[in-house]
Amino acid sequence: DSGVTQTPKHLITATGQRVTLRCSPRSGDLSVYWYQQSLDQGLQFLIQYYNGEERAKGNILERFSAQQFPDLHSELNLSSLELGDSALYFCASSEGGQGAYEQYFGPGTRLTVT
Amino acid sequence: ILNVEQSPQSLHVQEGDSTNFTCSFPSSNFYALHWYRWETAKSPEALFVMTLNGDEKKKGRISATLNTKEGYSYLYIKGSQPEDSATYLCALSGGSYIPTFGRGTSLIVHP
Repeated sequence: DSGVTQTPKHLITATGQRVTLRCSPRSGDLSVYWYQQSLDQGLQFLIQYYNGEERAKGNILERFSAQQFPDLHSELNLSSLELGDSALYFCASSEGGQGAYEQYFGPGTRLTVT
Repeated sequence: ILNVEQSPQSLHVQEGDSTNFTCSFPSSNFYALHWYRWETAKSPEALFVMTLNGDEKKKGRISATLNTKEGYSYLYIKGSQPEDSATYLCALSGGSYIPTFGRGTSLIVHP
């Protein structure tokens, strides 16, 4: 158990809908990363927050947004969902905001868009 | 976008064999290299973070080396066990701190 929690574990929704994925980092970690893993792709970095502020942005679609709250939990919002958004979404946390800290991954949320 | 290559794509070894795989990356714009172990139906687990050229890290039977000048890192597993079966991922953090993952090496250790 990494200490990172993600909810829900599974989510099935229809095209055009909006969903929110939630992540609670390990106690003491200030940084949260979001990743997407599709069937034909490796792990793709979406976005990173550090202590409430956006730190780095990857290939995140405009339909997706995220935020980190004062209690350091983070939410990833996915809107106008398309079939291609079906994937496993991981969040990870680390102590610091720079890339040399170990990242601890949550169990993931499997999103299925029908 | 940084290009991180891992080889081989998959590897089958017998229990007790030692093995190694490679992660290659552009040597410019290097900040840190991460190795992860990812078992089926679980989430990636951090093995090592390496930042300095010539760095060597060890955890039990697993060790890793780093050459930032030529842009590669090796992961070694000594005396492979069936429980070592997993996908081993490397990820590069460049100057922008954006992590770029390789596609992984899938290791299967046969008893």
